[in-house]
Amino acid sequence: EAGVTQFPSHSVIEKGQTVTLRCDPISGHDNLYWYRRVMGKEIKFLLHFVKESKQDESGMPNNRFLAERTGGTYSTLKVQPAELEDSGVYFCASSHDGGRGYEQYFGPGTRLTVT
Amino acid sequence: GNSVTQMEGPVTLSEEAFLTINCTYTATGYPSLFWYVQYPGEGLQLLLKATKADDKGSNKGFEATYRKETTSFHLEKGSVQVSDSAVYFCALWTPGSARQLTFGSGTQLTVLP
Repeated sequence: EAGVTQFPSHSVIEKGQTVTLRCDPISGHDNLYWYRRVMGKEIKFLLHFVKESKQDESGMPNNRFLAERTGGTYSTLKVQPAELEDSGVYFCASSHDGGRGYEQYFGPGTRLTVT
Repeated sequence: GNSVTQMEGPVTLSEEAFLTINCTYTATGYPSLFWYVQYPGEGLQLLLKATKADDKGSNKGFEATYRKETTSFHLEKGSVQVSDSAVYFCALWTPGSARQLTFGSGTQLTVLP
């Protein structure tokens, strides 16, 4: 069974540009989460999808971040326009419906560098 | 709200040394506690977990005991190996409508041969 995959693994963009991160969850997992780790600090929750619906987006930092999950499969996280403080590692995780909330499987992350 | 405080790194040890990484937490309700590990170039992996007070989670020689009285979940290993070099994250989860994990800041461990 394939794990959670993320693309790209690393992205370097200039301030003001747009970047789109992609996450492919484990097949059959209805729950999809985005987290990020900024400046070597704690990993913070961004949002949670159940299928194509946003269940909880309380962690989204501001309206420059837009997450979508059309069709309830893969998800994208767009940052527009990117700012220096957006640099960090963005993790995606998925879990199947009915599982305990902590049974999340993580991808390798996308390292975003904004210069 | 929930929070996790983890000892700051980086930690550098010689092979076969004893490892302790401290973790304390603040949570509403009755949390489940976890240690995740991220090896270089890989995703976060669940290392061990404990879902109630006094439970001991263990895996790959690592252990951690859920101490409710001290709100702690310290990670220990009696003899580390070079292959244990990674970043370790303490985390918690509480039941309810919110399903996200709350993480600590991570501890970079480097084990030298």
